[in-house]
Amino acid sequence: QKEVEQDPGPLSVPEGAIVSLNCTYSNSAFQYFMWYRQYSRKGPELLMYTYSSGNKEDGRFTAQVDKSSKYISLFIRDSQPSDSATYLCAMSEGNTPLVFGKGTRLSVIA
Amino acid sequence: ETGVTQSPTHLIKTRGQQVTLRCSSQSGHNTVSWYQQALGQGPQFIFQYYREEENGRGNFPPRFSGLQFPNYSSELNVNALELDDSALYLCASSQSTDRAEAFFGQGTRLTVV
Repeated sequence: QKEVEQDPGPLSVPEGAIVSLNCTYSNSAFQYFMWYRQYSRKGPELLMYTYSSGNKEDGRFTAQVDKSSKYISLFIRDSQPSDSATYLCAMSEGNTPLVFGKGTRLSVIA
Repeated sequence: ETGVTQSPTHLIKTRGQQVTLRCSSQSGHNTVSWYQQALGQGPQFIFQYYREEENGRGNFPPRFSGLQFPNYSSELNVNALELDDSALYLCASSQSTDRAEAFFGQGTRLTVV
């Protein structure tokens, strides 16, 4: 079992839909959870950063962490074609390197 | 505030050659990490540099080496290139070793032929 599992998709949704992206993990020591957006042939861009369990909202984006289930989610409301990208989850114990999922490729169709 | 910059953006090398990739960290950040991202995969940790010393290494052979300079910029060197080294190489900077937030550069796409 890999440390971080993420469905690679591809996921295709119509413009305006609510998108749900998810990762599961096996290492209970992970404390920091991040979501990155990566456009084709570009570096990952940090979208959301969460410590421990709970929710965090930033504009159209909401990140949720459920440490009891070892499950994290990213919700995108009112999705736009410009949201089309690969979304990577990443986790860390704090003073350890980031461990990434494989990424989920999202297409938002106008 | 300047972001993380990497050079070059693209590079083609022949198997067996050596390559050096460069990274300038974000202003105020003293920790630099390097990741390798193969096509269709998530980034894999190569190593981290803090105060000019290697501060952790992933599962990569010794032909992957690095440096950090007093201004916190960094280099990644790969010797004896293999075809499987073809990937996007990403540099990430952080405010310190215990800050998990990492900000990435645009990457260097290395193709080994």
